[in-house]
Order: sequence, then structure tokens, then C-alpha cells
Amino acid sequence: AQKITQTQPGMFVQEKEAVTLDCTYDTSDQSYGLFWYKQPSSGEMIFLIYQGSYDEQNATEGRYSLNFQKARKSANLVISASQLGDSAMYFCAMREVQGGKLIFGQGTELSVKP
Amino acid sequence: SAVISQKPSRDICQRGTSLTIQCQVDSQVTMMFWYRQQPGQSLTLIATANQGSEATYESGFVIDKFPISRPNLTFSTLTVSNMSPEDSSIYLCSVWGTGLSYEQYFGPGTRLTVT
Repeated sequence: AQKITQTQPGMFVQEKEAVTLDCTYDTSDQSYGLFWYKQPSSGEMIFLIYQGSYDEQNATEGRYSLNFQKARKSANLVISASQLGDSAMYFCAMREVQGGKLIFGQGTELSVKP
Repeated sequence: SAVISQKPSRDICQRGTSLTIQCQVDSQVTMMFWYRQQPGQSLTLIATANQGSEATYESGFVIDKFPISRPNLTFSTLTVSNMSPEDSSIYLCSVWGTGLSYEQYFGPGTRLTVT
């Protein structure tokens, strides 16, 4: 069965610095996708970035990049130049192509300090 | 992309009653997903709803408690039945992106408080 693990319940980062949020996963499938979502206090789920299991290059979207290490089964999110508005919950998720279900990790609460 | 709306956005209900949550998508989608997010927790998949067939429920969720309807390709409802305070959560519907999009989109959620 697929599983997502985020081991950092909370993280602090200084404004304008970079921060890495950890995510490891477990699956027996060869074909899957990895996602990161941001959830501000309003509760909406904001899609940030996606990495396919067959993608050879790490995904990037603006200030977000995904450090994909397939052999280690890790998909860490890197946020560069943190902003106060980045303070939120961040969830890592995985979807196996076979099952089609998006499964979430426990989340990491990021706080950006001015 | 897909734009998803949910009704109601929030509600306060008494225990023992039922609430039906509506989810409307601006495009036709095959699969719709219902998630629950209990306070301070992550998202947990309740069920997957395909048009024209019975919903598929995840372990720990049953149809009698969370009946789902999927009358067409743009709409679904989730009912939370015989509510207890433990059902206080945010309920979100979700769909895949259309066409070749790999993205998965979420509605704004329904904040339910059961007293």
C-alpha cells in the first residue's frame, strides 16, 4: 500500500531564506505522481508542484522546486526566498497511476519570521 | 484547470441530524473524490464517486454513514448522516484536471461543526 511520511510537524524560516520540507514515500508501483499542496489558514488546498515518477529532471515552479530522489523515495519541497505569505501548512501527496487515489502525508506547518 | 464550488461553505449542526454537501465542477469529470480533514489533521479520502456507479469507500468509511450521489459528470453530493461531534471536520471534494492535466483540484471545503 502507498504511504507518505512527513517527519517535520513544524518548521521555522527567516524571511528571504530558503527552506526544505521533507517528504518520503512508499509504493510498489513503478508509475506514480508526487504532489505538494499549500493550505493557508483559510483551508483551501493550493496545488504547488508535481513530479512524475518517470520525470528525469526535478520539477520547478517559480520559487518552488521538488528535490526528487527516486532511489531514496524522497520528494522534498524547496522554497526559495521565503515570504511571509508562505506561512501555511504544506502537504506532500502521492497518486499511483493504477489506483488513482491521492494520499496525503501528515503535513508540515511552516512559519516564516520577519 | 477545474473550478469547483461547494455548498454550504460552513454549517453548525446538532448531533443526530444529517447534512448534505454539494459539489459542482465547471467541466465534465469521470471521477470525483471526497475527503475529510479533521481538526489539526491531514486529508483522508472518504470515497471515490464515478458517474453511474456506486461510490467506492475507503477503509473506515461506510455508505450508511456517508452516502454519496453522482447523478451526472459535473455534480456530486456527500451526506454526513446521524452526526456526532467527531464528524466536525472540513469536507472537500476533488477532481483530476481535464485532458492531459495531471493536476488534482480541490473545492473550497465545507466546514462542519457538530454540537
